Amino acid sequence: SQQGEEDPQALSIQEGENATMNCSYKTSINNLQWYRQNSGRGLVHLILIRSNEREKHSGRLRVTLDTSKKSSSLLITASRAADTASYFCATALRITAGNKLTFGGGTRVLVKP
Amino acid sequence: ETGVTQTPRHLVMGMTNKKSLKCEQHLGHNAMYWYKQSAKKPLELMFVYSLEERVENNSVPSRFSPECPNSSHLFLHLHTLQPEDSALYLCASSQDWDRGNTGELFFGEGSRLTVL
Repeated sequence: SQQGEEDPQALSIQEGENATMNCSYKTSINNLQWYRQNSGRGLVHLILIRSNEREKHSGRLRVTLDTSKKSSSLLITASRAADTASYFCATALRITAGNKLTFGGGTRVLVKP
Repeated sequence: ETGVTQTPRHLVMGMTNKKSLKCEQHLGHNAMYWYKQSAKKPLELMFVYSLEERVENNSVPSRFSPECPNSSHLFLHLHTLQPEDSALYLCASSQDWDRGNTGELFFGEGSRLTVL
């Protein structure tokens, strides 16, 4: 299986609710990043968390990283219809030279008004 | 607006055609990337250029030929493609290639390619 795997694959929530998605990976990382992709568009970087960090916040986003479990979570609080998108985690592997990111399959989030 | 512009946004081509995808970044970055995004598959890294030198080629078929004439422009030349090559092709850039502990990517909007 692939380096980064998101869970769940799809998520449907009501506006105002929180959305949580998880990412698991297999090998040691330098950092883990989360990206958002609106349908048919490019990816937009949301947040980067380094291997020596445990939690980061950016606006309504909260990312945690547990290197012992090789997992990360992305929490979107007070979701809005505009948060409807696919969310991807990407890992920068410690063993890989250069700025090579490995992307997971993504979580599709639908926020219903 | 991410500072990375891709053209065309949509392209339909026959299997015998030759076409090119273009990417331009206005961020002063030193590294540029081509990714392929197919339905129900994770993003696949195709090529990486750092300071106009190709530093990564992920076993991509020769019918895809990249070109990086300068640090701001990246092309993907397409020749004799197959229907399974239909996908969204994404260009990205980052400040550097060598920094292993950072590495935010800035993506363009993508070129949706359909091969008939």
